Amino acid sequence: DVKVTQSSRYLVKRTGEKVFLECVQDMDHENMFWYRQDPGLGLRLIYFSYDVKMKEKGDIPEGYSVSREKKERFSLILESASTNQTSMYLCASTPVGDTYEQYFGPGTRLTVT
Amino acid sequence: RKEVEQDPGPFNVPEGATVAFNCTYSNSASQSFFWYRQDCRKEPKLLMSVYSSGNEDGRFTAQLNRASQYISLLIRDSKLSDSATYLCVVLEYGNKLVFGAGTILRVKS
Repeated sequence: DVKVTQSSRYLVKRTGEKVFLECVQDMDHENMFWYRQDPGLGLRLIYFSYDVKMKEKGDIPEGYSVSREKKERFSLILESASTNQTSMYLCASTPVGDTYEQYFGPGTRLTVT
Repeated sequence: RKEVEQDPGPFNVPEGATVAFNCTYSNSASQSFFWYRQDCRKEPKLLMSVYSSGNEDGRFTAQLNRASQYISLLIRDSKLSDSATYLCVVLEYGNKLVFGAGTILRVKS
């Protein structure tokens, strides 16, 4: 069974703080993704990575950065958290060439106050 | 205009009912389509792919109409356990998935 884990289920941070969201997968998948999910908007792609040290911007990268130093780990960084980044953040992974079946982590509900 | 649009619902149906959801997509060049299911407070999971010829998996049938750019999901003999949000998903150029906002289904006894 593929397992994707995220460091926290719930997180509360203050405006201006630097926030790290960690995602780890145990199936040796090459591709990893970060989404945010908001009511009425669905999942929106923030960043993705097809390999170690490689990253690509998704549809809404502003205010975010990512890091992929190891194949199994993909980190999302909010450089200076703002209230409009309050959301559910979901990480996903897939093997190479098979991006349609994405395996998601349980999500991190981030609240920025 | 959203790339993938769905009726948010909720669809409230009794057990045993047949229910259908539609989804429209804006990019006529899109090639691959899927339905994902997301239970309350859980992560999305792939339910089924949608092929041009249509496909069936037990009580679930998915259809694609390329001319009208819509995708449908039919659930027959609804069960309480079918209650979830159903996400319409399109695979775009660059192997990126574009998700609809989802349709909520509530099956009641």
